[in-house]
Amino acid sequence: GAGVSQSPSNKVTEKGKDVELRCDPISGHTALYWYRQSLGQGLEFLIYFQGNSAPDKSGLPSDRFSAERTGGSVSTLTIQRTQQEDSAVYLCASSLDQGSNQPQHFGDGTRLSIL
Amino acid sequence: AQSVAQPEDQVNVAEGNPLTVKCTYSVSGNPYLFWYVQYPNRGLQFLLKYITGDNLVKGSYGFEAEFNKSQTSFHLKKPSALVSDSALYFCAVRADRGSTLGRLYFGRGTQLTVWP
Repeated sequence: GAGVSQSPSNKVTEKGKDVELRCDPISGHTALYWYRQSLGQGLEFLIYFQGNSAPDKSGLPSDRFSAERTGGSVSTLTIQRTQQEDSAVYLCASSLDQGSNQPQHFGDGTRLSIL
Repeated sequence: AQSVAQPEDQVNVAEGNPLTVKCTYSVSGNPYLFWYVQYPNRGLQFLLKYITGDNLVKGSYGFEAEFNKSQTSFHLKKPSALVSDSALYFCAVRADRGSTLGRLYFGRGTQLTVWP
């Protein structure tokens, strides 16, 4: 079956612009996660959604970052007024639910480059 | 707080030799432990997990990992390495309870190189 799908695969933008990154999770997965991977920081948790519960936003690095999940499926991560330190690979993952023993399944990520 | 340490940035082994990639963890409550592999320009691919039960867990592509509660370790092993195993390996832990339930905490990653 289809895995986690992320788009775009690459994004290059100028400093100060807003960007939107999209994640389409595996069908039936109620939990959805965003992580950021960068050389200096490794893999960092950003935010996760579980069903209709309030998302855990505690990993978002600043108020320029936000995410939403519409209809319990597709999620969009938005970065406003991008800065060069936002350059990283943004990974999305999904799992059956947050409390299950099932692993998180990852997409191939969006490579974001801020000029 | 949850954390994972992978003490080796790089591991180099010859094809056909056994390999070990080390991981230690710290977690509140019981640990759920995972190993992932990442190939260039790809996302993380799940290899195996420990939730409960036997300390030796087997996963994809001939990999296995041994959970050691007293040493808080979860080392990844393979009896005979292949050149195609060359990749970046991540150990991850998550708690079985609490406000961070669901969130994975990753180690820094270990680059495995298997030479012919």
